[in-house]
Amino acid sequence: AQTVTQSQPEMSVQEAETVTLSCTYDTSESNYYLFWYKQPPSRQMILVIRQEAYKQQNATENRFSVNFQKAAKSFSLKISDSQLGDTAMYFCALYNNNDMRFGAGTRLTVKP
Amino acid sequence: DTEVTQTPKHLVMGMTNKKSLKCEQHMGHRAMYWYKQKAKKPPELMFVYSYEKLSINESVPSRFSPECPNSSLLNLHLHALQPEDSALYLCASSLRLTGSYNEQFFGPGTRLTVL
Repeated sequence: AQTVTQSQPEMSVQEAETVTLSCTYDTSESNYYLFWYKQPPSRQMILVIRQEAYKQQNATENRFSVNFQKAAKSFSLKISDSQLGDTAMYFCALYNNNDMRFGAGTRLTVKP
Repeated sequence: DTEVTQTPKHLVMGMTNKKSLKCEQHMGHRAMYWYKQKAKKPPELMFVYSYEKLSINESVPSRFSPECPNSSLLNLHLHALQPEDSALYLCASSLRLTGSYNEQFFGPGTRLTVL
């Protein structure tokens, strides 16, 4: 069985500052994919960033970047220059063998 | 068209009713998914279709019946639901089920209330 753990139920950050959300996972597979999804209040889930396990280079998407530590099974998300629109629930997800598992989520609030 | 649409947005039904949720995408995706999301919880995978064939059924009760009539459309038929089935039902699609094309695009969801 594969599991995803997000140990920070809630976080807050001041606008324009940087915040890091933590995620650890467990899987016996060697080939898998990791995702961070964002779900704003009452709005739909959108993909923030993805990482293929076989790639050593950390993925980046504009202000969003990950720190992927395969041996430690860690996949943290760094948001730089936080904006009010980043306020949302963030889910870490693990995909392999046609199965997608989400972590419990971290509620991020960006304060003006 | 780069979105997944779901209808209705809200649905209230009694325990004896039969209703259906609809999901549509026109991105040429061949994998489609149903998730159930309770309040303040992560989505839980229910069903996966690949090339219109049911690929995964995560031990979901038979009162939920999925259907994939064509590559663009996914339905979820509901019958004899229980109040604990009240949740946000999310549909998602991806280009393929396996390999590098498994990035899932989500619809806005149908908020279901069972009285």
